[in-house]
Amino acid sequence: NAGVTQTPKFQVLKTGQSMTLQCAQDMNHEYMSWYRQDPGMGLRLIHYSVGAGITDQGEVPNGYNVSRSTTEDFPLRLLSAAPSQTSVYFCASRTANYEQYFGPGTRLTVT
Amino acid sequence: GQSLEQPSEVTAVEGAIVQINCTYQTSGFYGLSWYQQHDGGAPTFLSYNGLDGLEETGRFSSFLSRSDSYGYLLLQELQMKDSASYFCAALYNNNDMRFGAGTRLTVKP
Repeated sequence: NAGVTQTPKFQVLKTGQSMTLQCAQDMNHEYMSWYRQDPGMGLRLIHYSVGAGITDQGEVPNGYNVSRSTTEDFPLRLLSAAPSQTSVYFCASRTANYEQYFGPGTRLTVT
Repeated sequence: GQSLEQPSEVTAVEGAIVQINCTYQTSGFYGLSWYQQHDGGAPTFLSYNGLDGLEETGRFSSFLSRSDSYGYLLLQELQMKDSASYFCAALYNNNDMRFGAGTRLTVKP
């Protein structure tokens, strides 16, 4: 199993640009989520999904969209990048017993 | 909001035992998880407590007391490789996970 994979590993955007962060898992987990982590801080939940076709907002959803068309994939879209969205983004999937597995992260810089 | 409190830094020597405490808000609380994160890496899952009591996994144990809105992570027989940040994370309403700011553990020889 590859676990949770994320692409790209690094990305630089200009203010106003849009992009999609990709996330995939091969563990057949129903629950997937996106977090951002700013320097010296804990993770903050952006959006989550409890299964294909079902998504909901987390703590900091503004400026981000998600969709879940399959169990495996959970992309995160930045609609119009802002410097405040400079962060490390982690995708995760979770078992029914609440064990959560994280991808390697995407380091995003918005200039 | 649902904020969590944990110490920002802890220092201990190899072979010692260290306890990292975490307090959380109770409204909608479902369970408490712990994660380890090395610098530049992704968080890795350590434990989840959905019920009161102690969960033991090797050198690491985690405890939850719902009546006190409190939990802790206990690390025994510390090794240099345990130097990392440790995060408590509270699950609310089964789906909303809130993380503490993290405790940076330094293990000295």
